Amino acid sequence: GAVVSQHPSRVICKSGTSVKIECRSLDFQATTMFWYRQFPKKSLMLMATSNEGSKATYEQGVEKDKFLINHASLTLSTLTVTSAHPEDSSFYICSAPDQHYNEQFFGPGTRLTVL
Amino acid sequence: AQSVAQPEDQVNVAEGNPLTVKCTYSVSGNPYLFWYVQYPNRGLQFLLKYITGDNLVKGSYGFEAEFNKSQTSFHLKKPSALVSDSALYFCAVSSRRAGNTGKLIFGQGTTLQVKP
Repeated sequence: GAVVSQHPSRVICKSGTSVKIECRSLDFQATTMFWYRQFPKKSLMLMATSNEGSKATYEQGVEKDKFLINHASLTLSTLTVTSAHPEDSSFYICSAPDQHYNEQFFGPGTRLTVL
Repeated sequence: AQSVAQPEDQVNVAEGNPLTVKCTYSVSGNPYLFWYVQYPNRGLQFLLKYITGDNLVKGSYGFEAEFNKSQTSFHLKKPSALVSDSALYFCAVSSRRAGNTGKLIFGQGTTLQVKP
């Protein structure tokens, strides 16, 4: 199946700093990618839909200015957590659908810890 | 509105016994249905999907699931559980309507504990 990578896999930062997480589709093109947030032993919460060449679509309750999403190419989407606070600590997962939108391929996740 | 329910937070089963993880869904039109497994601090691994065709779907690692349209269910099953099957399992649904972007709605997850 198709492969989606995320970088970094783990990041620790101080409060107030910004952190960028990359999501790449390695062997296929993705005009759409999805960003999820997951709390311990909880379900995945869809944060936003990343659209190549246009603005991301955010789910209700997700702060656009807090979680900046850029889909600069057909294989790369980035999520930047701006002015991070401890409550932003979480596991962030991205995914990309196949060309027919029948299936999604998930990245391995990024563990963010804000001190 | 689309939704997925996994009624059990945790399922406990002895190794070698059959296991079932339940999932029911609500979606407009015909659904795409998926099961994923997650190990600690890892991303989601695909197990199986129902798009169309046979109601009984066979997937990875000996898992299978049965699509039941009348009961709007898609329960995950395995005839003989292994300790290594212990993980967090997610059921997910996507609408098959036109304009579908592939957005998945997830159930809340069920922790499977298989004891030796």
